This record gives sequence, structure tokens and C-alpha cells, in this order.
Amino acid sequence: DVKVTQSSRYLVKRTGEKVFLECVQDMDHENMFWYRQDPGLGLRLIYFSYDVKMKEKGDIPEGYSVSREKKERFSLILESASTNQTSMYLCASLGLAKNIQYFGAGTRLSVL
Amino acid sequence: QQQVKQSPQSLIVQKGGIPIINCAYENTAFDYFPWYQQFPGKGPALLIAIRPDVSEKKEGRFTISFNKSAKQFSLHIMDSQPGDSATYFCAASMMYGQNFVFGPGTRLSVLP
Repeated sequence: DVKVTQSSRYLVKRTGEKVFLECVQDMDHENMFWYRQDPGLGLRLIYFSYDVKMKEKGDIPEGYSVSREKKERFSLILESASTNQTSMYLCASLGLAKNIQYFGAGTRLSVL
Repeated sequence: QQQVKQSPQSLIVQKGGIPIINCAYENTAFDYFPWYQQFPGKGPALLIAIRPDVSEKKEGRFTISFNKSAKQFSLHIMDSQPGDSATYFCAASMMYGQNFVFGPGTRLSVLP
């Protein structure tokens, strides 16, 4: 079974802090994604990566950056956390063979 | 053009009922339409998916109906059970490896 692991289930941070959200997948998938999930808005794409060191902006990249130094790991960085970044963050990986996205369990981030 | 609209926002049915969730899209370049199921505290997981060359796909109690000319597709859950209570997301993408655009989600409650 594909496993996508997000390093933290819950995080509480202060406004202005730099925040790192880590995601690791174990199926050698090429593509990885970071989404933000908010009630009534569904999943909105922040960034995605189709290869090591490659990244593409999604629909809401402002205030975020990403890093993909190794194929299995995709990190989301909040350079200076703000209260409007309080949300559920979901990481996903996609294997091109079956075109199925596999999601992690999510990180619920609260910025105070 | 990139939006996927989904209705209703929430749905309550009795056990054994047939909840129907509807989605609509604008971009005719979309050619892969998955449905994801998300339980509380978990990431979304693929439930069933369809390509536009067929009008219906059935997997167990779950059926997707697809109307290419109307650019609409829907999920039907036959003989619904309390264990089906979850949030359901429709999505669309343009072939392999591309970004998925998600609908806002439908929260389904199946009463015992």
C-alpha cells in the first residue's frame, strides 16, 4: 500500500514564525502536491512538484514556498506565518502509472 | 474555467436511501473525473473514477453517471449505510500527472 506520511498531525505556531510541514511518500512517485483544505472551499492547490528540485505554483501560492531535495520528500514552508494560514494542510503523491492521488492524513495548523 | 462545482453542500439520508451528489465543470479539456471520500481525521481516498468515453461506472454500491454534453457527473450510493457518512469530493484533471481540481465537498450523513 502507498503510504504518504505527514510529520505532524497538529501544530500551533505564533504569528511571524517560520513553519515547516514535511511530507514523505514511499512509492517512488514522481508528482507530489500540497493542498489547503478549508470548510466550504474544498481542496485548493498551493504548490506541486513533478520532479526533484522542480516546483510549480498552484492556485494559492502566496505566503508559501516548497522544497523538494529528494524524490520521496516534499516540504511546505510558511515563511512568516499569519492567522489566515490557519487551516488543514494535505500532502498528496501521484503515481503516473495509475493516475491516482494518495493523500496523507493532514496537518491541522493553528496560527495564533 | 478551472472550477468544479458541487452540490449539495450537505446531505442527510436514512439508512438504505440513495444519496446523489452532483458536480459540473466548464473546461472541456478535463478527461478524468475521480471521486474521493474523506472520513474525519483522515486524508481523502480515491473511491471511484470515470473517463468521459463511458456514461456510467459502477463499483460495488457506488456509481458514477457522466453526461459529457452537459458537462456534469454525479455519484450515487446505493443502499447507503451509516459507515458511508463522510465528506465526498468530486475532482477533474487533464490526463496523467496533471493537477486535480476539486469541488468544495459534500458532507453526507446516513442515519441508522
